[in-house]
Amino acid sequence: QKEVEQDPGPLSVPEGAIVSLNCTYSNSAFQYFMWYRQYSRKGPELLMYTYSSGNKEDGRFTAQVDKSSKYISLFIRDSQPSDSATYLCAMSTGNQFYFGTGTSLTVIP
Amino acid sequence: EAGVTQFPSHSVIEKGQTVTLRCDPISGHDNLYWYRRVMGKEIKFLLHFVKESKQDESGMPNNRFLAERTGGTYSTLKVQPAELEDSGVYFCASSLALNTGELFFGEGSRLTVL
Repeated sequence: QKEVEQDPGPLSVPEGAIVSLNCTYSNSAFQYFMWYRQYSRKGPELLMYTYSSGNKEDGRFTAQVDKSSKYISLFIRDSQPSDSATYLCAMSTGNQFYFGTGTSLTVIP
Repeated sequence: EAGVTQFPSHSVIEKGQTVTLRCDPISGHDNLYWYRRVMGKEIKFLLHFVKESKQDESGMPNNRFLAERTGGTYSTLKVQPAELEDSGVYFCASSLALNTGELFFGEGSRLTVL
């Protein structure tokens, strides 16, 4: 069983739509939860970082962590064509980081 | 401020040859990580340096892989001899603090072994 499960998509939405991206995990030792955005041929870029259960908002992005269900989400409001990228969830025990396979998102103008 | 830089961006070699990848972390970042992404799979941890010391190398696939970080600055990852299954994108990341999600990634070195 993988440490982190993420639906690879691809996901295609019209501009302005709300996007929901999700990951599940099995290791209850994970303490840190991250979302990275990766454009083609580039390295992953940290978008959101949370430590505890609950919601964290940053502009159009909201990260949600539910430790009891071992489930994390990233919501993108008012999606823009520039949001088209691969979104990777990642989790850490404080030492090693474990990544999902990434969800490919295309926002159509 | 310069980000994490990796060299080369793409390397094509034949099975049995040697390749050395280089990573220059962000200045002042003691933590340096190597990751690898094989096509269609998730990014996987290879090893972690704190300054010049190997903190965790549990992700290194086998003894054909050798990572060094002399002087605690840049790091090299050598694959010798390369095998077909070593093909993938090798990412380097650095961070200032240990227990944080703030990893700063380079653009990756794409390795193709023919």
